[in-house]
Amino acid sequence: GAVVSQHPSRVICKSGTSVKIECRSLDFQATTMFWYRQFPKQSLMLMATSNEGSKATYEQGVEKDKFLINHASLTLSTLTVTSAHPEDSSFYICSARDLRAGEKLFFGSGTQLSVL
Amino acid sequence: QQQVKQSPQSLIVQKGGISIINCAYENTAFDYFPWYQQFPGKGPALLIAIRPDVSEKKEGRFTISFNKSAKQFSLHIMDSQPGDSATYFCAASNGNSGYALNFGKGTSLLVTP
Repeated sequence: GAVVSQHPSRVICKSGTSVKIECRSLDFQATTMFWYRQFPKQSLMLMATSNEGSKATYEQGVEKDKFLINHASLTLSTLTVTSAHPEDSSFYICSARDLRAGEKLFFGSGTQLSVL
Repeated sequence: QQQVKQSPQSLIVQKGGISIINCAYENTAFDYFPWYQQFPGKGPALLIAIRPDVSEKKEGRFTISFNKSAKQFSLHIMDSQPGDSATYFCAASNGNSGYALNFGKGTSLLVTP
């Protein structure tokens, strides 16, 4: 299947700093990428849909000024958590559609963010 | 609001047994139903998926049963192995939303030796 690479896998930062997470589709072009958030032992919750060359669409309750998403190319989407606080600590996972594979979504390996 | 309801929350099965996880949905616009397997600290991996025009799909030890009228679908893992111990998520999506997935709450499966 298609490969989605997510980096970093783990990051620890101080409260008030910003953290950038990268999501790359390695062997396909992804016009659409999705960002999910997962708390321990809970389900994946969709945060936003990222479309190449246009503004991201955020789910209700997700602060777009806090979670900045940029999808500047067909293989890269970034999520920046701005002015991070301890309550932003979570597992963030990106996913992408490979149009050659139809409706299938492929996921990155996730980023564990810990805000001290 | 959880658009996909999943049960049970946890499941313990003996090696060689059958693991069964159930999901239900309300939105009839959903037209794609995948199952994902997730190990701790990893992203979910696609196991098997089905569309509503098919009642059953089998891939190896994994089978999806789909009941369109009841708006329910289930995952059967035959000959369960300790390596199958993981969290399983059902999901649903439709093309109108770019196939963004709505996940169930997950089932933690433990297969005992």
